[in-house]
Amino acid sequence: DTGVSQDPRHKITKRGQNVTFRCDPISEHNRLYWYRQTLGQGPEFLTYFQNEAQLEKSRLLSDRFSAERPKGSFSTLEIQRTEQGDSAMYLCASSGRQGSTDTQYFGPGTRLTVL
Amino acid sequence: AQSVSQHNHHVILSEAASLELGCNYSYGGTVNLFWYVQYPGQHLQLLLKYFSGDPLVKGIKGFEAEFIKSKFSFNLRKPSVQWSDTAEYFCAVAGGSYIPTFGRGTSLIVHP
Repeated sequence: DTGVSQDPRHKITKRGQNVTFRCDPISEHNRLYWYRQTLGQGPEFLTYFQNEAQLEKSRLLSDRFSAERPKGSFSTLEIQRTEQGDSAMYLCASSGRQGSTDTQYFGPGTRLTVL
Repeated sequence: AQSVSQHNHHVILSEAASLELGCNYSYGGTVNLFWYVQYPGQHLQLLLKYFSGDPLVKGIKGFEAEFIKSKFSFNLRKPSVQWSDTAEYFCAVAGGSYIPTFGRGTSLIVHP
């Protein structure tokens, strides 16, 4: 399967701990997006990369959140000093071309539970 | 700023019934519009999209949507639903930034 993959699928952590999630996009895609989704809501944009450059960040992305895409391939999203409000599904998506005409392909998500 | 409103949060239908899910957006410029679907236990996947041209867009599995610019709407329709259409449906709009804003979703349950 050559779709978007995310790891881990589930993460349970205690408040105050740091967590890191990984996303592997479809190999030929140069755009990568991170979203957060809570129960009963649609995905909310967090940040996106074109190749290794982080081009846009939502104001939802507090300074406890950091994302990287060091070689323009996989990406990591780190949350430091987790809070219970960080509990959510974190989705990654990738797309292949610039502009809005390209379809975003979503991964299965990482479900984070902060106790 | 762009925003999306989905009017129906929960819809329950019997098989063979017709479906229409409402979606209204707010954005002052040219938009690109999407419907995504999430079947139970599966990833979000694109159902259909509108960028330009014919405002009636046909997607997978017999779904279609009509872009009505004057009403800022992009409603999703299917003439006859099946049990397998049970899923969460999300409307999304992308304006100048090309970053889509999603609605909160509509949960559709189809009874056999």
